[in-house]
Amino acid sequence: DSGVTQTPKHLITATGQRVTLRCSPRSGDLSVYWYQQSLDQGLQFLIQYYNGEERAKGNILERFSAQQFPDLHSELNLSSLELGDSALYFCASSGEGAVRPISTDTQYFGPGTRLTVL
Amino acid sequence: LAKTTQPISMDSYEGQEVNITCSHNNIATNDYITWYQQFPSQGPRFIIQGYKTKVTNEVASLFIPADRKSSTLSLPRVSLSDTAVYYCLVGDIYSGAGSYQLTFGKGTKLSVIP
Repeated sequence: DSGVTQTPKHLITATGQRVTLRCSPRSGDLSVYWYQQSLDQGLQFLIQYYNGEERAKGNILERFSAQQFPDLHSELNLSSLELGDSALYFCASSGEGAVRPISTDTQYFGPGTRLTVL
Repeated sequence: LAKTTQPISMDSYEGQEVNITCSHNNIATNDYITWYQQFPSQGPRFIIQGYKTKVTNEVASLFIPADRKSSTLSLPRVSLSDTAVYYCLVGDIYSGAGSYQLTFGKGTKLSVIP
């Protein structure tokens, strides 16, 4: 158990809909990262927040948005969903993440949310 | 660009030492090398990180030559529970307009055989 929690575990929805994925980082961690993992694309970095502020942006679509709240939990909002958005979405947290390169941060991953778009 | 190249898959018998090599010819001066392990339908798990020479912890060793253009993850005496995908992560890749890529790549699928 990494200490990172994600809800829901599974989510099934239809095309065109909007969903919100939630992540609670490990106690004391200020950084939250979001990833998408699909069979054909591997693990894709979406976005990183550090203490409520966006720190780095990766391959995140304009239909997707995220935020980190004062209590440090984070939400990933996915809208106008398409079939191709079906994937595992992981959240990770770290006690680092304030400086570049963020690839050096030791990230602790949650169990993921499996999104299925029908 | 700190792009990485790893073998797609490897097989090993239980009890053997396994070495997985990652090539990263364009590694930058301030890049570290980090390895993660991922089991099916689970999030990746940090294994080890290093900058140069050799790093060892309770689960693995990481060997990095002087030129840092490659690194080798060494798993001693593997067991069936080590069957997983192993990712080598090196550097952020700036892709313009404030965007960065953390390239985990396809990873190496290790299958441990009884």
